[in-house]
Amino acid sequence: TVLTQSPGTLSLSPGERATLSCRASQSVSSSYLAWYQQKPGQAPRLLIFGTSSRATGIPDRFSGSGSGTDFTLTISRLEPEDVAVYFCQRYGGSLTFGGGTKVEIK
Amino acid sequence: EVQLLEAGGGLVQPGGSLRLSCAASGFTFDDSAMTWVRQAPGKGLDWVSSITGSGGAIEYADSVKGRFTISRDNSKNELYLQMNRLRAEDTALYYCAKHLRNWSFDASDIWGRGTMVTVSS
Repeated sequence: TVLTQSPGTLSLSPGERATLSCRASQSVSSSYLAWYQQKPGQAPRLLIFGTSSRATGIPDRFSGSGSGTDFTLTISRLEPEDVAVYFCQRYGGSLTFGGGTKVEIK
Repeated sequence: EVQLLEAGGGLVQPGGSLRLSCAASGFTFDDSAMTWVRQAPGKGLDWVSSITGSGGAIEYADSVKGRFTISRDNSKNELYLQMNRLRAEDTALYYCAKHLRNWSFDASDIWGRGTMVTVSS
């Protein structure tokens, strides 16, 4: 399964809503889709697993949704500390990552 | 404190070998599946290999199958990656990560800081 993330780069102002897309080449069980945040120079951090469950300590401005081949990570109100690259991941029968979406602040 | 600490990276010539280790603390290691994920400079994340808590189930990416071997020592709370016949394309920062559940394929909730492997003559 290939995961394609779009857009490649998202440039928004603080307080705006960020919508990141992850499209799978074949259907993915909603139980097995995760999102990670990777800030510059840091290891990835798990944000969302099972499509919509927030990991421990993740603020509620981060939410996940989707099914089948189309999944979305939404940051409801962008904050400066959200500048990072975001990766989606499919797990369950294999482990595959998307290419990432870079989120910038205008 | 939950922590993973990788070691063993370095510069190696093509065709050479290297053994990475990952020391775990702060959680029940032998109940946890573990994974290695790598990231080439400026690139995305690339899964390498996973092992369940008992070591009974092991998986490899096709790109490393037959060259890399994952193992663990639950008495020492350590995870390993033996890398043989290294190629330039194996150059990356190698992360050790813990799975959410004791599954071969799962999301990873704890990550180390990584150890850099450079394959070059």
